[in-house]
Amino acid sequence: AQSVTQLGSHVSVSEGALVLLRCNYSSSVPPYLFWYVQYPNQGLQLLLKYTTGATLVKGINGFEAEFKKSETSFHLTKPSAHMSDAAEYFCAVTRANDFNKFYFGSGTKLNVKP
Amino acid sequence: EAGVTQFPSHSVIEKGQTVTLRCDPISGHDNLYWYRRVMGKEIKFLLHFVKESKQDESGMPNNRFLAERTGGTYSTLKVQPAELEDSGVYFCASSPAGETQYFGPGTRLLVL
Repeated sequence: AQSVTQLGSHVSVSEGALVLLRCNYSSSVPPYLFWYVQYPNQGLQLLLKYTTGATLVKGINGFEAEFKKSETSFHLTKPSAHMSDAAEYFCAVTRANDFNKFYFGSGTKLNVKP
Repeated sequence: EAGVTQFPSHSVIEKGQTVTLRCDPISGHDNLYWYRRVMGKEIKFLLHFVKESKQDESGMPNNRFLAERTGGTYSTLKVQPAELEDSGVYFCASSPAGETQYFGPGTRLLVL
């Protein structure tokens, strides 16, 4: 079975500081990994995804994530936080041989302080 | 291109009543999914349609939930009768094929 753990339900950073949102997964088969973001009163928006190939994945709005198989991690980073990054972020995993069922983490709310 | 739309955006009902949620996928997307998030927990898979056929309904909580996708276009999710624990946010997603799912804004259901 797949599971996803997001460490920290709430993360607070200052504007301009590094953003690091953690995601660890368990999967018995090669995973596909995703980060979604949900801004207030909006739907889930895809930030980035890893399927195959390069393990460092760049997404929208300056975010990137690195797939580390040995650590079963897919942490999301951004060098410099903006106020507009305040949102809830979800890590999700699916299986390469059955990618129709997503398994999500419980979400991390990012607060950006001025 | 319009994204996935869901109606209503919010619904407040009393225990024992019936509620029907609607999802309109992105045009041309054969795959349609329902997910649910209960009170700040993780978003959980409910079921998957390919066109009008249920491909996987392993996440449906019980037989009070009924999902349909007539004609392979929009889908409805009916909860009858609703219980308190059904409160949460119901998300719909669609996909043409492949691994990326595109999500709607969700329907916030509160059962009193």
